[in-house]
Amino acid sequence: NAGVMQNPRHLVRRRGQEARLRCSPMKGHSHVYWYRQLPEEGLKFMVYLQKENIIDESGMPKERFSAEFPKEGPSILRIQQVVRGDSAAYFCASSPPSLAKNIQYFGAGTRLSVL
Amino acid sequence: GESVGLHLPTLSVQEGDNSIINCAYSNSASDYFIWYKQESGKGPQFIIDIRSNMDKRQGQRVTVLLNKTVKHLSLQIAATQPGDSAVYFCAETITSGGSNYKLTFGKGTLLTVNP
Repeated sequence: NAGVMQNPRHLVRRRGQEARLRCSPMKGHSHVYWYRQLPEEGLKFMVYLQKENIIDESGMPKERFSAEFPKEGPSILRIQQVVRGDSAAYFCASSPPSLAKNIQYFGAGTRLSVL
Repeated sequence: GESVGLHLPTLSVQEGDNSIINCAYSNSASDYFIWYKQESGKGPQFIIDIRSNMDKRQGQRVTVLLNKTVKHLSLQIAATQPGDSAVYFCAETITSGGSNYKLTFGKGTLLTVNP
């Protein structure tokens, strides 16, 4: 039973390029969450998605960042025109289709480095 | 704003000793707390949780204590092993009101176990 799968594990981008981070939730999970972790910091909530719906994007910057969770395929976190301050670890978590959305299982993360 | 924080950023112990990691939270409305372990290069891994209607919960070699009076949480690890070396985060959320998915993480404590 595979866990939450994220890819790539490491991503290097130059300033101004686009970064696309992918997340496949655990089998049977329909809720996906993205968190960002700056060096030596805790994780910060960014966005919560269900299939084809963004439920809460209150933690996501208004510009350059977007997220989707299509009917088919993985969830995508997209960062356009990356800047050095976007360098961080981005974690995806998933939870099963129940009310207990506080029980989240995390992937290994994507470490984004912006040169 | 309200946040979750940790008293000690680093903790070094000898193998076989007991470890205690502390966490302070300031949101009195939080009613669910989780301890996560994050090893280098990996995502957060669930260790143990506790609800606000409890003051103690035990797992395998781990115990979480909750003191709501002073808004304090601690994780006790018995007979610490080298494999316990990691960063430990506490996280909180409010399970009512529909936002139970939004976990708020502290900054983390780095536990180093010396053989």
